Amino acid sequence: DAGITQSPRYKITETGRQVTLMCHQTWSHSYMFWYRQDLGHGLRLIYYSAAADITDKGEVPDGYVVSRSKTENFPLTLESATRSQTSVYFCASSERVSNQPQHFGDGTRLSIL
Amino acid sequence: GQQLNQSPQSMFIQEGEDVSMNCTSSSIFNTWLWYKQEPGEGPVLLIALYKAGELTSNGRLTAQFGITRKDSFLNISASIPSDVGIYFCAGVNYGGSQGNLIFGKGTKLSVKP
Repeated sequence: DAGITQSPRYKITETGRQVTLMCHQTWSHSYMFWYRQDLGHGLRLIYYSAAADITDKGEVPDGYVVSRSKTENFPLTLESATRSQTSVYFCASSERVSNQPQHFGDGTRLSIL
Repeated sequence: GQQLNQSPQSMFIQEGEDVSMNCTSSSIFNTWLWYKQEPGEGPVLLIALYKAGELTSNGRLTAQFGITRKDSFLNISASIPSDVGIYFCAGVNYGGSQGNLIFGKGTKLSVKP
């Protein structure tokens, strides 16, 4: 079934390691987003991308890197993971930002020890 | 920055009861969205509202876009156990930074059979 898929679903890693979360969508949506979800904070935008090779910071970008070489993929990298980055990460996509709803993946639960 | 105040934070109701939750903001939004999130999954879009005053239904769910464009509510009629989850409102402001979504912190709904 077409849609938006995230991998891995679960990841445990250690402080200081690099980890990459993958996001793939089959709708050919222009826009893609990365959020983190934490208790007490709800969903917070990390980075978004309007098209291939165009990315921009969201509310909480520090410690994260993104790339978008192909429209369908939007990986999120933690270059040197910290415990404060333990969270559930959601990828989303939308056809246009202005009035089109975002559709979410099922999330990656990341634990940093 | 822009914030959405979503209330109540949580609700414990009996099966068959009606539910009402709302979101308010000091800022104007051009689009209001309502999502539901179940454990271990990403948010799923329930209803999208694009015009002030708009009232839209999706089965037992009804949502309205406030006339002032600063609020929205979601009603669930005759609740059933599968309504359990966290409900999020989200607003889109075209004039904001690329129009990304601003999320409320969610209303956690528990339904007792």
